[in-house]
Amino acid sequence: ETGVTQSPTHLIKTRGQQVTLRCSSQSGHNTVSWYQQALGQGPQFIFQYYREEENGRGNFPPRFSGLQFPNYSSELNVNALELDDSALYLCASSFTSGGNEQYFGPGTRLTVT
Amino acid sequence: GQQVMQIPQYQHVQEGEDFTTYCNSSTTLSNIQWYKQRPGGHPVFLIQLVKSGEVKKQKRLTFQFGEAKKNSSLHITATQTTDVGTYFCAGNSNDYKLSFGAGTTVTVRA
Repeated sequence: ETGVTQSPTHLIKTRGQQVTLRCSSQSGHNTVSWYQQALGQGPQFIFQYYREEENGRGNFPPRFSGLQFPNYSSELNVNALELDDSALYLCASSFTSGGNEQYFGPGTRLTVT
Repeated sequence: GQQVMQIPQYQHVQEGEDFTTYCNSSTTLSNIQWYKQRPGGHPVFLIQLVKSGEVKKQKRLTFQFGEAKKNSSLHITATQTTDVGTYFCAGNSNDYKLSFGAGTTVTVRA
């Protein structure tokens, strides 16, 4: 059984650019959630995808968008990057939708300069 | 919106001592989960509590869910160096969203 994987591990972008982060869910899981974790803070919910549909969204602007593919992998896209977008982006998969136990990937560290 | 608060923010513990970290929600929760994040790592699921007043134990860790389902605690006995990390509670209110607290960061003095 493979766990949650994310790519890339680290990324440096310039303000105003766009970025795509990728996540492969754990085998058997059909739900993927994305979180933003600023330094010294807890993960903040961005959105959740269940069977290729956005299932819910946190307090993030529309320039944060996502996709889920038929194999349940997922992408997080962020447009018009701002300095405050610098954070660890965590993908988590779960067996089904809702607030069930989350299996987190190692994260992508995004730095915006 | 739902807010989850954790105290203390930092816990410095002598090896072998006990400590407790607390979690409080502004709203009634359907369940609460606890995660541990080691330095440089990602959150790892520890446990989920669902029932009012529920108590669960994992070796030296004891988790409790309040009667009103608005608060929770994690008690660690005989702290070891392997307990170092940040402990997060995350509350769920019958929807898709988990709200994480800011965490309690634990350091251990040998």
